[in-house]
Amino acid sequence: AQSVTQLGSHVSVSEGALVLLRCNYSSSVPPYLFWYVQYPNQGLQLLLKYTTGATLVKGINGFEAEFKKSETSFHLTKPSAHMSDAAEYFCAVSDRGYSTLTFGKGTMLLVSP
Amino acid sequence: DADVTQTPRNRITKTGKRIMLECSQTKGHDRMYWYRQDPGLGLRLIYYSFDVKDINKGEISDGYSVSRQAQAKFSLSLESAIPNQTALYFCATRGGTSGGPEQFFGPGTRLTVL
Repeated sequence: AQSVTQLGSHVSVSEGALVLLRCNYSSSVPPYLFWYVQYPNQGLQLLLKYTTGATLVKGINGFEAEFKKSETSFHLTKPSAHMSDAAEYFCAVSDRGYSTLTFGKGTMLLVSP
Repeated sequence: DADVTQTPRNRITKTGKRIMLECSQTKGHDRMYWYRQDPGLGLRLIYYSFDVKDINKGEISDGYSVSRQAQAKFSLSLESAIPNQTALYFCATRGGTSGGPEQFFGPGTRLTVL
């Protein structure tokens, strides 16, 4: 069975500061990994994904994530937070054989001026 | 126009009522999914379908049923709604084996059961 743990239900940063959202996964086979963002009153939008190849993945809006197999982690980072980054972020894992996603519980990112 | 649409966007109903949430997609994807989102719990899979003749239960299917009327349409029904089914419901799609692994989400339906 797969699982995802997101450390911190809420993360607060100042505008211009580094954003770090943590995600650890459990999977018995090499996983596909995803980060989605949900803005208020909207659906989920794909930020980035890891499938194979380069372990540092770049996504939209300046976000990136690094797949570290030895640490079973896929942390999301952005060098400089912007007010528009305030949203809820979800990490998800997919077992390549089953085409379903298992989501973490989400991390709300709060950005203060 | 949005690729994945959900109707209604908001619904208030009473305990015991039957309710249907509808999802349509224009992406041409084979695979469709229904999730519910509750604060602090993330998204949990209710049902999924890989094609019109294939329906599978997810993590939390009790109290729900689905119908895949066509490749583009996937409906979720609550036969007798109860207050703890109050949640935000999302439909999602994914391409088949030739598509990427990511899922594409609709805008959600906010359901309140009184």
